[in-house]
Amino acid sequence: DQQVKQNSPSLSVQEGRISILNCDYTNSMFDYFLWYKKYPAEGPTFLISISSIKDKNEDGRFTVFLNKSAKHLSLHIVPSQPGDSAVYFCAALDSSSNTGKLIFGQGTTLQVKP
Amino acid sequence: DAGVIQSPRHEVTEMGQEVTLRCKPISGHNSLFWYRQTMMRGLELLIYFNNNVPIDDSGMPEDRFSAKMPNASFSTLKIQPSEPRDSAVYFCASSSRLNEQFFGPGTRLTVL
Repeated sequence: DQQVKQNSPSLSVQEGRISILNCDYTNSMFDYFLWYKKYPAEGPTFLISISSIKDKNEDGRFTVFLNKSAKHLSLHIVPSQPGDSAVYFCAALDSSSNTGKLIFGQGTTLQVKP
Repeated sequence: DAGVIQSPRHEVTEMGQEVTLRCKPISGHNSLFWYRQTMMRGLELLIYFNNNVPIDDSGMPEDRFSAKMPNASFSTLKIQPSEPRDSAVYFCASSSRLNEQFFGPGTRLTVL
């Protein structure tokens, strides 16, 4: 049972354009969401997060939007740069469980073409 | 700090052999997580420890998998006997806060 789903395995965009990566979840207890970025031969690194009390969080070129009613979040990258080419993982946390246990999606491979 | 350290970075072994993956978490972090990355399922949590105690091992696929954390600075994930379907990248991560995990570079395991 996949509680966090990233239905697009890959995405290709042109440099300078917007990249939109999507993530859906099923567990209504999730109240904190994170995006991780992974380059080949490296471990995932934290990118940006959002609490369920917000619907938007912005950090430079990266913005995460949360739609709780739809159980959907998205990561926007604008403008996209070739260095953004990586695998992006969405993750969710039920903070009331007090475990720190993150549930990850399958990942989306983003390719930004020069 | 050097970050989370994993060894080996690559492991190639034959079916039936024992495999041991190692992890050194970031100093001061009290939680440690073992993940497996596959194309189909993404990042799966296998087991995690809090203050060296296993808290949740529900993600461990079968009895062939075991994990230990004898002290705050070292953990192992063992597969015995290994099978070709165990081939994947295994990540270790550590954290000191509930909502932030730092990952190691991973061990790419190939079982022939």
